Order: sequence, then C-alpha cells, then structure tokens
Amino acid sequence: DTEVTQTPKHLVMGMTNKKSLKCEQHMGHRAMYWYKQKAKKPPELMFVYSYEKLSINESVPSRFSPECPNSSLLNLHLHALQPEDSALYLCASSQGYTRRLADTQYFGPGTRLTVL
Amino acid sequence: GESVGLHLPTLSVQEGDNSIINCAYSNSASDYFIWYKQESGKGPQFIIDIRSNMDKRQGQRVTVLLNKTVKHLSLQIAATQPGDSAVYFCAERGGYQKVTFGTGTKLQVIP
Repeated sequence: DTEVTQTPKHLVMGMTNKKSLKCEQHMGHRAMYWYKQKAKKPPELMFVYSYEKLSINESVPSRFSPECPNSSLLNLHLHALQPEDSALYLCASSQGYTRRLADTQYFGPGTRLTVL
Repeated sequence: GESVGLHLPTLSVQEGDNSIINCAYSNSASDYFIWYKQESGKGPQFIIDIRSNMDKRQGQRVTVLLNKTVKHLSLQIAATQPGDSAVYFCAERGGYQKVTFGTGTKLQVIP
C-alpha cells in the first residue's frame, strides 16, 4: 500500500480564520513532507519532518505552522493567510533513508486551499 | 542557484507512438533522480527513479536515461496511451531529503 491520505480535499477560508490540513500514512515511513503547488507550477518544498522532528523549513512564513504528532500523522496549521497563499498543498512521505539510498516520496492527492 | 528544467512545456504524441520527455539539471551533486506523473486534480505519482551511478533503468513501458556528462535526463514511454496524458515532472535530490522539481511537461496523447 503506497497511500497517503489528505483531508480536507477542498478548503475555503478567510484571512482571519484558523484552519488545519491533515495528512496520514500507514506505510511505516519516517519522513513526511509538505509541498505547495501553484497552478501550472511544480511542487515547492515547505517542510520536512524526519523521525517526527522538523528537519527542513524552507523559510516558510510563520502563518504556516507544521506539526507531527506521531510517525503516521502530519498537520499544517494555517492562520492569517493571504490570498496569494491559495494553492494545492501536497503531503508526501518516504522511508527516510540516508542520502546514499533512493528514498522515494509518495504523494497524497492534496488539499485545494482558497483564501478569500 | 541550482535548478532543474525541462526543454518542452507541451508534447503532443499520437496514440501508440513512443514519447520522449527531456529534462536538464544543473546540480552536479545530485545523486538521485525521479520522474513523477501528475494528472489533473491529483498529486504527483511516482513513475520511475534512477541513481546517479546508473545511466539507464527500465520499468513497465517506461525507461529513464541519465547522461551525467551533459546533465540530462529523459523519460521514454513506449506505445503511448490516452491514460498517459498528464504533466510529467523530473525531480532531483540535491541534498538529504530535499527534492527539487523541474518545471513540468504536459503530455497530450492524440487518439
């Protein structure tokens, strides 16, 4: 099973709202990722969690707050977003192998976020 | 800065023909390359990967070629089918867990 699930599929929020995106995998993967994808653009890495610790933050604004409650779950908390934050937010997971090994990332279907 | 790019934004191919999607990369330290397929409204789907110590890898109907001399990667799809229509991204791993995606090529299969 190579399934990564994400909820909700669609989310519309105002600039003053607080919402959360959720991601789950049951493949025993120890690395989980958040990507942002704008229309007709490639996914851009936001955060990486490795063994439940934040290992990479690609200078993402603090209005995006990731959380990894356990090895199967990854959340992205959203607060005071801007309309330009509207995008497809993708979650991915991988085994978490060291650099010398192939470490394939498997993606979820994404959450389509619209900020009004 | 380092970048991964694709030569063609859109590729139209007749059903049954072979497709070749090209990708140039610039980070000579990249050690792992991946091809993803993304259909409309879905997340990227892993197709095939190749490590930098290889120059060719084959899967079911797909072949990835890596030319490190000219920093070029290609994806060959044999007997292209309508279900192959999607955007294809090459991606490179230039640092631990950091995968950078290329700009993408839209493959259109003409029935």
